[in-house]
Amino acid sequence: ETGVTQTPRHLVMGMTNKKSLKCEQHLGHNAMYWYKQSAKKPLELMFVYNFKEQTENNSVPSRFSPECPNSSHLFLHLHTLQPEDSALYLCASSQTHDLGTDTQYFGPGTRLTVL
Amino acid sequence: GENVGLHLPTLSVQEGDNSIINCAYSNSASDYFIWYKQESGKGPQFIIDIRSNMDKRQGQRVTVLLNKTVKHLSLQIAATQPGDSAVYFCAENQGSNYKLTFGKGTLLTVNP
Repeated sequence: ETGVTQTPRHLVMGMTNKKSLKCEQHLGHNAMYWYKQSAKKPLELMFVYNFKEQTENNSVPSRFSPECPNSSHLFLHLHTLQPEDSALYLCASSQTHDLGTDTQYFGPGTRLTVL
Repeated sequence: GENVGLHLPTLSVQEGDNSIINCAYSNSASDYFIWYKQESGKGPQFIIDIRSNMDKRQGQRVTVLLNKTVKHLSLQIAATQPGDSAVYFCAENQGSNYKLTFGKGTLLTVNP
C-alpha cells in the first residue's frame, strides 16, 4: 500500500448522473493531484492542489469539479459526463508540489465507465 | 509538439534475462526524468530518477541511462523476475518541477 486510498475502485454511471470520487492520503503530504489514464494514451494531469489551494487546472472540462477540503482529502465531482470520459482516474500526493525534489505516491485509481 | 514517447509498446523476456526499456523525449528544457512501474490494478510506483547533470544512475537491479545528445532515456532491469511484469513509463519535467509529462508506457512480460 502506498498510503493513498481511493474510493470507489469501480464506478459505472450514466451521462446524467452526478457522482464523486474520493481520495485520502495518510502520508502527511501537502500536495495532491488528479490524473486521467485512458487506454493507449499517456497519463494526463488534471488538477494540482498545494496546501488546499488549486495551483493547476490542465484545461479540464467543467463537468469535472475538484474539491480539496484539507491536505489529506481530495474529491473529484462528476456531472454530465461523456462516454469518452471513461478511464482510470488516479489520485497522487507528494510532500510539496515540487516534483523535482518530492516523490509522488499514487493511489490504486477509480475505474470509471460512463454509459 | 513536445512529447515523451516509447520505442516499443511491448517487451517479452525470459526470467533471469536483462531487460531494457527505452524512452525518447523531445523537450530540450527537460532536466529531470523519472521511471515508473505500474502493475495491474495498481497506481504507478516510482522506480528511479535522474537529473540532466548525470548520464547514469543505479538502483537495486535497475539502472537509468540518459543520453542528452539524442534525447534518449532507458531503464535497464537486471536479472528480470516475474514480479517485474508491469507497464513501465517515463516522465519528464519539461523544465518545470510542478508538472510532469508522461510517456505511453511499455508492457514488460517476464516468462518463467
